[in-house]
Amino acid sequence: EPEVTQTPSHQVTQMGQEVILRCVPISNHLYFYWYRQILGQKVEFLVSFYNNEISEKSEIFDDQFSVERPDGSNFTLKIRSTKLEDSAMYFCASSNPGLGKFFGPGTRLTVL
Amino acid sequence: AQTVTQSQPEMSVQEAETVTLSCTYDTSENNYYLFWYKQPPSRQMILVIRQEAYKQQNATENRFSVNFQKAAKSFSLKISDSQLGDTAMYFCAFMKHRPGGGADGLTFGKGTHLIIQP
Repeated sequence: EPEVTQTPSHQVTQMGQEVILRCVPISNHLYFYWYRQILGQKVEFLVSFYNNEISEKSEIFDDQFSVERPDGSNFTLKIRSTKLEDSAMYFCASSNPGLGKFFGPGTRLTVL
Repeated sequence: AQTVTQSQPEMSVQEAETVTLSCTYDTSENNYYLFWYKQPPSRQMILVIRQEAYKQQNATENRFSVNFQKAAKSFSLKISDSQLGDTAMYFCAFMKHRPGGGADGLTFGKGTHLIIQP
């Protein structure tokens, strides 16, 4: 069964450093997403991407964040200058119109 | 803006029992989707069941079924014959329907921690 994959599974970085989280969505899906979950809290929507551009973004997704689909398979989330409060699980998801979103296993980001 | 409320932070039942997790939501949209996701200790988010608001028939997936009450804005999840592997966080989620394409994000509730006791 096709699945969303994410790398790395765990990323540790120093405050102020740039990080790139990588995702490979399910190959025939058209919509891609990033969500985050701070430990013990609910999952929060960050951004959606469709037709090679951002479709929707939340208030969390400020200028420190960017997304890119550099080729036909990868979908990345970049955080330019990490802050302590960026520590969270980051989930990539993909879907087709009207269907449920399929989530990847997540990347645990730890900012020291 | 949409809100999703799960009023049960934690529930515990015996194996083989039936359990119902509650979810209410608030929206001014008429056309939307509702979902239940399961998050086991591995923290993977797993889609359990999906409901389209325009469909009156309640969705069912094996042991999982929903009670969708559109007028009451209620979307509860029933797990029959519960198993130890059902132990997880369960999140209710809402998504607007966007005609013509585009990708809307999910709005999640805070989750219910379900514990199945042997």
